[in-house]
Amino acid sequence: AQSVSQHNHHVILSEAASLELGCNYSYGGTVNLFWYVQYPGQHLQLLLKYFSGDPLVKGIKGFEAEFIKSKFSFNLRKPSVQWSDTAEYFCAVNPGNTGFQKLVFGTGTRLLVSP
Amino acid sequence: DTGVSQDPRHKITKRGQNVTFRCDPISEHNRLYWYRQTLGQGPEFLTYFQNEAQLEKSRLLSDRFSAERPKGSFSTLEIQRTEQGDSAMYLCASSHSTSPIYEQYFGPGTRLTVT
Repeated sequence: AQSVSQHNHHVILSEAASLELGCNYSYGGTVNLFWYVQYPGQHLQLLLKYFSGDPLVKGIKGFEAEFIKSKFSFNLRKPSVQWSDTAEYFCAVNPGNTGFQKLVFGTGTRLLVSP
Repeated sequence: DTGVSQDPRHKITKRGQNVTFRCDPISEHNRLYWYRQTLGQGPEFLTYFQNEAQLEKSRLLSDRFSAERPKGSFSTLEIQRTEQGDSAMYLCASSHSTSPIYEQYFGPGTRLTVT
């Protein structure tokens, strides 16, 4: 069965620090990859997505992620975090064949940015 | 606001009672998804509709769970004879079939507490 692993469950950073959140998946075929963010008291929002093409994708709010097919990874990065980035971040995978619609989520990483 | 809406936002019920949740997708989104999220976990897929047809169901969806989307617009998720293990956040998402990456937009969720 497909699975998504997020190894960092809790991350605490100071403002201006760099961020990298790991995401690995187990599915071997073509995949679509996503990062969702959930700010305190808000619903899940799409941060960025990878479908094909350039493996380095840029999302909203200065976030980017790199797809490394050989490592089955899709790590999220931001060069300088802000207090407003405090949130929970979820990596999700959707297998690329059209008959399979669900997203498989990781367990999430809770990020706390101290001012 | 034209996002995905869910009602109610919170539901407290006693074990053994039936509950029903409603989801209104983004207008003209023909795909609708239900997920369940428990504490410390990412969302888990429950079921998926394209228009009024329920095309996929997770093994998580026991016989006590039923979902409908009678007119291809809003959807309901019913849980019969609730158990304490049903306590979770129930999330609804929608997407359009022409979206190349099946980008799903999430609602705020219904938090169910079974006492």
